[in-house]
Amino acid sequence: DAKTTQPNSMESNEEEPVHLPCNHSTISGTDYIHWYRQLPSQGPEYVIHGLTSNVNNRMASLAIAEDRKSSTLILHRATLRDAAVYYCILRYAGNMLTFGGGTRLMVKP
Amino acid sequence: DAGVIQSPRHEVTEMGQEVTLRCKPISGHNSLFWYRQTMMRGLELLIYFNNNVPIDDSGMPEDRFSAKMPNASFSTLKIQPSEPRDSAVYFCASSFGDRGNNEQFFGPGTRLTVL
Repeated sequence: DAKTTQPNSMESNEEEPVHLPCNHSTISGTDYIHWYRQLPSQGPEYVIHGLTSNVNNRMASLAIAEDRKSSTLILHRATLRDAAVYYCILRYAGNMLTFGGGTRLMVKP
Repeated sequence: DAGVIQSPRHEVTEMGQEVTLRCKPISGHNSLFWYRQTMMRGLELLIYFNNNVPIDDSGMPEDRFSAKMPNASFSTLKIQPSEPRDSAVYFCASSFGDRGNNEQFFGPGTRLTVL
């Protein structure tokens, strides 16, 4: 999988939106952009994925740059339960996930 | 569905002992993955099965590690003999299909401590 770059950590206030950036300048045309998160003492869980267009689901939104070299995961209203490590991962037409260091999101009450 | 089930949730053993970790994937899923997580190395993929056949085991650290999937509803990861550096959280995950747009479901993990 191509490499992604994320900030090590970010802070947010509760009830405010959070924008988690991810750079993936070597992305290929067939790479899907996936986001997973890992809550403390739990296994990773799927958040959202996209290919070219922006995506929304009940958990978050994914904004993908027009050139696809970067993307942003948007949590519209952060809660304390959203404190986790967020992983941005590129996947081509294979099954494997390659996890990087992710971004540790801290949410302040 | 109960999700991916792993057992045991915690295992403490002594160096040199055999350790067997177990995983039951979500019913209907045809891909199964074993990952290991440590503070130093983060989350690493150890091995990936598709339709019960090992597809990629390049992440298996050494011959002390072996994994089997005798049927679609059960997999084991065995370490023999175990060493202190094997201490980690081991996650099992499953998914359906083999395209880049499917979702992997992770189990709660097994925390292994080798003394």
